[in-house]
Amino acid sequence: GAGVSQSPSNKVTEKGKDVELRCDPISGHTALYWYRQSLGQGLEFLIYFQGNSAPDKSGLPSDRFSAERTGGSVSTLTIQRTQQEDSAVYLCASSLGLAFNEQFFGPGTRLTVL
Amino acid sequence: SQQGEEDPQALSIQEGENATMNCSYKTSINNLQWYRQNSGRGLVHLILIRSNEREKHSGRLRVTLDTSKKSSSLLITASRAADTASYFCATGANSKLTFGKGITLSVRP
Repeated sequence: GAGVSQSPSNKVTEKGKDVELRCDPISGHTALYWYRQSLGQGLEFLIYFQGNSAPDKSGLPSDRFSAERTGGSVSTLTIQRTQQEDSAVYLCASSLGLAFNEQFFGPGTRLTVL
Repeated sequence: SQQGEEDPQALSIQEGENATMNCSYKTSINNLQWYRQNSGRGLVHLILIRSNEREKHSGRLRVTLDTSKKSSSLLITASRAADTASYFCATGANSKLTFGKGITLSVRP
């Protein structure tokens, strides 16, 4: 079956513009996560969706960041008024059941803010 | 704050040698997982060890967990050039998986 997919794979934008990043999780996975990874760094947790529960937004770095998950499947991460420090690889993962089960990662979206 | 911290930060070995990577953490966990990342893209799950387990094997991988010392190690035996990648430990606790900063492993042919 298909794995986690993300689009676009690369996005170059100008400072101040809004961007939307998309994640298609594995079918049937109830949990979905967004992470950010800066060059040579570990993964920074951003947000976590589990079923119909309210998302855990504790990792979002500012109110310019938001995410939605429609119909318990596809998720969109939106960054408004992008800044250069937003440049990073944004990774999406999904898992079956509990948050600390094995996570399946997408290939990521490399965002460059000029 | 980071839960898992890997050690060393970088490791360079010759093909055929064993690679040992360590991870330490601070709080109680449900499980500990190791992931591999190639080329700065998506991570691939390698192995999960639960808090009530002490050792687990998968192919050339051996993971140990010492909850009293809050530490884990990942051993890759008979390394290959294709094992060159970044390796991350991740601790599962409080409905969340927290990743360390990773270890860069280089296997020289």
